[in-house]
Amino acid sequence: QKEVEQDPGPLSVPEGAIVSLNCTYSNSAFQYFMWYRQYSRKGPELLMYTYSSGNKEDGRFTAQVDKSSKYISLFIRDSQPSDSATYLCAMSKGATNKLIFGTGTLLAVQP
Amino acid sequence: EAQVTQNPRYLITVTGKKLTVTCSQNMNHEYMSWYRQDPGLGLRQIYYSMNVEVTDKGDVPEGYKVSRKEKRNFPLILESPSPNQTSLYFCASSLSSGVETQYFGPGTRLLVL
Repeated sequence: QKEVEQDPGPLSVPEGAIVSLNCTYSNSAFQYFMWYRQYSRKGPELLMYTYSSGNKEDGRFTAQVDKSSKYISLFIRDSQPSDSATYLCAMSKGATNKLIFGTGTLLAVQP
Repeated sequence: EAQVTQNPRYLITVTGKKLTVTCSQNMNHEYMSWYRQDPGLGLRQIYYSMNVEVTDKGDVPEGYKVSRKEKRNFPLILESPSPNQTSLYFCASSLSSGVETQYFGPGTRLLVL
């Protein structure tokens, strides 16, 4: 079983929809949780970063961590065609940059 | 402009022919790392370096070598490439080895025939 599981999609939504992207994990030692966005033919870029449980909001993006369920989510409100990309979750066990990545979910926002 | 650069961006080679992928960052970052990205497997760390002359294995180091002689450069060396090393490779850097934002390069797509 992989340490981090992520549905690969693809996920296709109309412009303006609320998007929910999710990852589950098996190791309760994970404390730092990140979401990266990767456009086609580009490297990943950090979108959101949270420590432990709770919510974090940044503009149209909200990251949620539920450590009791070992489940993290990224919500995108008012989705735009420019949000079309692959979204990768990543986790770290301690205060270290050794990250374990999910496989990524491909999102397409249709105009 | 702060960035991580990789060269070449695309490479086709044959089994056994040694190759080097270069990585350079202009942000004075201490921590640098190499990843490979494969469908269904995601990003996996190959090697990382916490500072000059300090390198360590990641999760999939077999068949790869690295060196860190200067802070800004972190080349990835494939001494004898094999077809199972066909992949998309990313170099990344961050300020420290703590939990910091990692900045990724644009990627190098390698095909080993």
